[in-house]
Amino acid sequence: GIQVEQSPPDLILQEGANSTLRCNFSDSVNNLQWFHQNPWGQLINLFYIPSGTKQNGRLSATTVATERYSLLYISSSQTTDSGVYFCAVETSGSRLTFGEGTQLTVNP
Amino acid sequence: DTAVSQTPKYLVTQMGNDKSIKCEQNLGHDTMYWYKQDSKKFLKIMFSYNNKELIINETVPNRFSPKSPDKAHLNLHINSLELGDSAVYFCASSADETQYFGPGTRLLVL
Repeated sequence: GIQVEQSPPDLILQEGANSTLRCNFSDSVNNLQWFHQNPWGQLINLFYIPSGTKQNGRLSATTVATERYSLLYISSSQTTDSGVYFCAVETSGSRLTFGEGTQLTVNP
Repeated sequence: DTAVSQTPKYLVTQMGNDKSIKCEQNLGHDTMYWYKQDSKKFLKIMFSYNNKELIINETVPNRFSPKSPDKAHLNLHINSLELGDSAVYFCASSADETQYFGPGTRLLVL
């Protein structure tokens, strides 16, 4: 099956810093989503982005499908950005395969 | 106005018991899913239903049985619970693209 690798596994930032999270995948995909799992465990959709670039406030994402990677940018990080960021891809049949996540800690 | 809801939020039970987790979505989506998140936070799909029909059944023990009474509901019944079943179980739904997740059910088997 498809492999999804996220890096870095852990990231610690000071409030106000910027960061880039990466997701590499091993095959062509129909769907790619980024999720944020907050400290209370809720999985929140950030982006549906099988290709191209999207922005939502301080977050933006870019997927280069031909090179099989996606990037999530967080600018001016806040403590509320802490949590685990997951990349998930779908190849066929609505089956999302998740990466292992990036644990982000933003310190005040 | 909760989109995807699950009950219960927490479930603590003894080994060998049978338990059910319920999921409901009010988004009008045709497809619903169950995912399992283990203690290392790894998320893996278990089942998917489209319009009450099973379309994905990953390698999951037969003790796990999903049931979809209608397309807005997908329940998960677990027989003979084992210690290794302790995890967070997430329900999700989708129309075409984006999957929306419920709040999760934390299951602890003692």
